[in-house]
Amino acid sequence: AQSVAQPEDQVNVAEGNPLTVKCTYSVSGNPYLFWYVQYPNRGLQFLLKYITGDNLVKGSYGFEAEFNKSQTSFHLKKPSALVSDSALYFCVWTPLVFGKGTRLSVIA
Amino acid sequence: NAGVTQTPKFRVLKTGQSMTLLCAQDMNHEYMYWYRQDPGMGLRLIHYSVGEGTTAKGEVPDGYNVSRLKKQNFLLGLESAAPSQTSVYFCASSSMSGESYEQYFGPGTRLTVT
Repeated sequence: AQSVAQPEDQVNVAEGNPLTVKCTYSVSGNPYLFWYVQYPNRGLQFLLKYITGDNLVKGSYGFEAEFNKSQTSFHLKKPSALVSDSALYFCVWTPLVFGKGTRLSVIA
Repeated sequence: NAGVTQTPKFRVLKTGQSMTLLCAQDMNHEYMYWYRQDPGMGLRLIHYSVGEGTTAKGEVPDGYNVSRLKKQNFLLGLESAAPSQTSVYFCASSSMSGESYEQYFGPGTRLTVT
């Protein structure tokens, strides 16, 4: 069965520190992997995607993710966290399989 | 350009009542989806549609019906609401042409069934 796993329910990071939100996948066929962010009481917003091409993809708000086929991972990263990055992040094998989400809390 | 809109935003139902949630998109997208979001469970796909007049079941379709009579609209129906259907419902749309695949989400409908 196709699956996307986000092993951490919560990630806490100090403002200015680098952040990583982890995602691993188990899918057959093309791994169309996305990251979405959800702010409180809002719908989901697109951050970045991997379809084909360069394994390092850059997205909105300074986020980037690296597609690693050998480790079946697609971790989300940002060099310097902001308090405004605090939100719920979803890794998605679009459009059918969502990870359970990781709540990121950036502390000033 | 409104994107994806959902009506209503909030609703409270009694067990056994019925209702319809409306999703509309103005981006001429072929694909539309209904998800439910429950705490700690991410989003789960209820039904989706790959075009006008076609629908398909997702991961959790029981207790829901859908219709896509017009390309821009995707309706989600609950014929006999149950407390287990208390959730936040999100509609999304996407184009599957080229390398897009990005989904655009509506703001959500918070449904409580008592």
